[in-house]
Amino acid sequence: AQSVTQLDSQVPVFEEAPVELRCNYSSSVSVYLFWYVQYPNQGLQLLLKYLSGSTLVKGINGFEAEFNKSQTSFHLRKPSVHISDTAEYFCAVSDLSTGGFKTIFGAGTRLFVKA
Amino acid sequence: DAGITQSPRHKVTETGTPVTLRCHQTENHRYMYWYRQDPGHGLRLIHYSYGVKDTDKGEVSDGYSVSRSKTEDFLLTLESATSSQTSVYFCAISESEGLITDTQYFGPGTRLTVL
Repeated sequence: AQSVTQLDSQVPVFEEAPVELRCNYSSSVSVYLFWYVQYPNQGLQLLLKYLSGSTLVKGINGFEAEFNKSQTSFHLRKPSVHISDTAEYFCAVSDLSTGGFKTIFGAGTRLFVKA
Repeated sequence: DAGITQSPRHKVTETGTPVTLRCHQTENHRYMYWYRQDPGHGLRLIHYSYGVKDTDKGEVSDGYSVSRSKTEDFLLTLESATSSQTSVYFCAISESEGLITDTQYFGPGTRLTVL
């Protein structure tokens, strides 16, 4: 069965520093990959997604992610973070091995941006 | 923002009582989902629906049932609430990209406490 591993539960970083949030998933022939962000006391919202095509995906708020099929990874990056990026970030995968209509979420990574 | 509402937003109940949470959408999306969010677990799928009267179990369905009599409404029922069901519950909606679920849009969540 598909699984998603977010390698860091918490990532503290100083404002204006770069950040990478790591995500690995189980191997599958065809996957859709997502990063969602959750601000305090809110629901999740889409940050970016990979369905097909270019392996470098750009999302909102200056975030980007790279799909690496050989390493089954989809790491999220931002070159310079802001205080307002403090939130929880979830990596998610949809694929045919999970029935196509189910999305498997990672446990989340809490990003703390310090002044 | 996608038109998704959840009611109630907060509820405190006692062990052994039945509880029903409602999700309402105005987007006419085919797929609807119920997740629970607990620290360290991310989001776990409880049940989902792929059409009116068409539902299926997720990974943590024990103790929960669902119904979907109209496209816009998806109800989650805790048949006899237990303290282990204290959680934040999120509803989500989606359309599919071919055979695989595309972006999910989340409601604001319901915080349920079972005493």
